[in-house]
Formats: sequence, C-alpha cells, structure tokens
Amino acid sequence: QSVLTQPPSVSGAPGQRVIISCTGSSSDIGAGLQVHWYQQLPGTAPKVLIYGDTYRPSGVPERFSASRSATSASLAISGLQAEDEADYYCQSSDSALKTVVFGTGTRLTVL
Amino acid sequence: LQLQESGPGVVRPSETLSLTCNVSAGPMSHSNYYWAWIRQSPGKGLEWIGSLYYDGASRYNPSLQSRVTISVDTFKNEISLKLTSVTAADTAVYFCARGTVGHCSIVGCSNWFDPWGQGTRVTVSP
Repeated sequence: QSVLTQPPSVSGAPGQRVIISCTGSSSDIGAGLQVHWYQQLPGTAPKVLIYGDTYRPSGVPERFSASRSATSASLAISGLQAEDEADYYCQSSDSALKTVVFGTGTRLTVL
Repeated sequence: LQLQESGPGVVRPSETLSLTCNVSAGPMSHSNYYWAWIRQSPGKGLEWIGSLYYDGASRYNPSLQSRVTISVDTFKNEISLKLTSVTAADTAVYFCARGTVGHCSIVGCSNWFDPWGQGTRVTVSP
C-alpha cells in the first residue's frame, strides 16, 4: 500500500501564498490517477477542497487551487486567512492494488 | 445527504468492532457512488479501511483485509463496518464517507470522498 508524501507542516502570514506538495509514485499519481485534496479543521471531519486534480466544489473559495505534474501534485492557498489553519491531505488511488491512498498530511499554521 | 456513524465507544482487545453509518437521504445504490470507511488514529493521518461499490464488490486496505468486512443494508439506509480481533492499534476515529467515481482510464478510476460523517471515536481497552 503506497502512501503519498507531504511536508509535515507549512506556515505563512495572513495574505501570503503557501504551497503544499504531494509526492507519489508511478503506481498512483504517476499512473495518471487523479489527485484530490481535503481540509480538516480542528476537531472536524475532512472536507473535499479539490477533486479531479483541479476542480473546486461549489462553496470553496477561489483562493484554493491545485495542479499536478508527473508523479506529484500541489495545493496552493493564496490570500492566507486565519480560518485556513487546518490539516490538509491529498488522496489518489493505487493502480496496481486498486486501493485508495492518502497523503501523510500537512498542518498549515497561519502566523 | 448526511452521514452519521454510531457504535460502542470502547471495545475490548481481541473482540470485534462493529460500527454503523446511517445515510440520511438519497438512494444507497447508484453507479457513480459507493461507500467507504476511513479512520484516523490519535494525532495521525487518514487511513482508508475499505470501500463497497455499486455492484456489490468490495476492496479493503491490504493491511486490514483479513479482519474487515463492509456491508450495506439498503432497507435501513445503513453501511456497516466489522473489524475483528482488535488491538490497541485500532483505536481511532472512524469515518464513513460516500465515494464518487470520477475519471476512468485503463489504469483505473479516480475517486474522492464527499460527504463524510462526523466520525465516531473508538478506544480499544481492556
């Protein structure tokens, strides 16, 4: 079971832009399987932030955007706000095992 | 659509953990959707437990496969999780979620989870 690798933590001041990376392998992101991103506010369930690599569900601010490359993906948050302080997870699928894989998670701190 | 997990807060080691997830509305069976359980150990990240698909097929995390069963009761609008022979390592918050099947290619289908239940905390303790 593969795991997607994320930095344990990132931080930024209000108004700044931060980027969270998600590194996979040839069996998941590298196989062409899409990446999805979740935001987990303290004490709550995760909420989908980005699906299908780049799509935002209705209600998610345009400040959140995502991109992908060969075996990795990135989530960008611009105009950082205090309410963005949360844990962020990427998620994809494993093409060989036909299973779901989550990223290791990144804690965003707004300074 | 809302999901609500329920179950015992404490389970003894070596026993079977049984959880249910009530689905508030909508059909339980749709080709674009499926049901999943995901857990989060204290202070840790998310771990996919398994999924039950529209056609009745199921897939489980290889690390849990020998101990886990996910089933659905469409009459009760419930999804169930059974995890046998639990140990302290199974202490976690357990979430149920609806999975959406997205883009499919020769290597497989992409899928994401939305919505999620609020989660139910399970402690394995004597």
